[in-house]
Amino acid sequence: QKEVEQDPGPLSVPEGAIVSLNCTYSNSAFQYFMWYRQYSRKGPELLMYTYSSGNKEDGRFTAQVDKSSKYISLFIRDSQPSDSATYLCAMRRGGGADGLTFGKGTHLIIQP
Amino acid sequence: NAGVTQTPKFQVLKTGQSMTLQCAQDMNHNSMYWYRQDPGMGLRLIYYSASEGTTDKGEVPNGYNVSRLNKREFSLRLESAAPSQTSVYFCASFDRSQETQYFGPGTRLLVL
Repeated sequence: QKEVEQDPGPLSVPEGAIVSLNCTYSNSAFQYFMWYRQYSRKGPELLMYTYSSGNKEDGRFTAQVDKSSKYISLFIRDSQPSDSATYLCAMRRGGGADGLTFGKGTHLIIQP
Repeated sequence: NAGVTQTPKFQVLKTGQSMTLQCAQDMNHNSMYWYRQDPGMGLRLIYYSASEGTTDKGEVPNGYNVSRLNKREFSLRLESAAPSQTSVYFCASFDRSQETQYFGPGTRLLVL
């Protein structure tokens, strides 16, 4: 079993819909949780970062972490065609210089 | 502020050839990383450098060597390229104050 599981999609939704993206993980040592967005042929860019359990909101984006279930989510409200990209969840154990463990990424398509 | 830069953008090698991928960051970050991204596999950590003068293996280090030349530069070397090393390689640096890894634009490598 991979440490981080993420459905690769593609996930296709109409413009304006609420999008829900999810990851599960197996290692209870993970404490830092991130969502990256990656456009085709570009490097990943950080969208949201959460430490431990809880919710975090930034504009149209909300990240949720449930450590008891080992489950993290990213919600996108009022989705736009420009949100079409691959969304990668990532996590790491401790603070500092640890590398990230990524999910495979979910390919999201927002239909105009 | 260029952020994280990588050279070359694209390279074709024959099996057995060697090459070095270059990475530089101008954000004065201590920690730097090399990842590879393959279809269906997500990003996987190859090597990282927590600080100038130190390097550590990640999840998939076999077939690679790294050098932390100074605080700005972190190179990845393939001594004898193999078709299994065909991938997109990303360099990243870590901003401790933002708990964020910033990624470069990537190097696409094809080994024939």
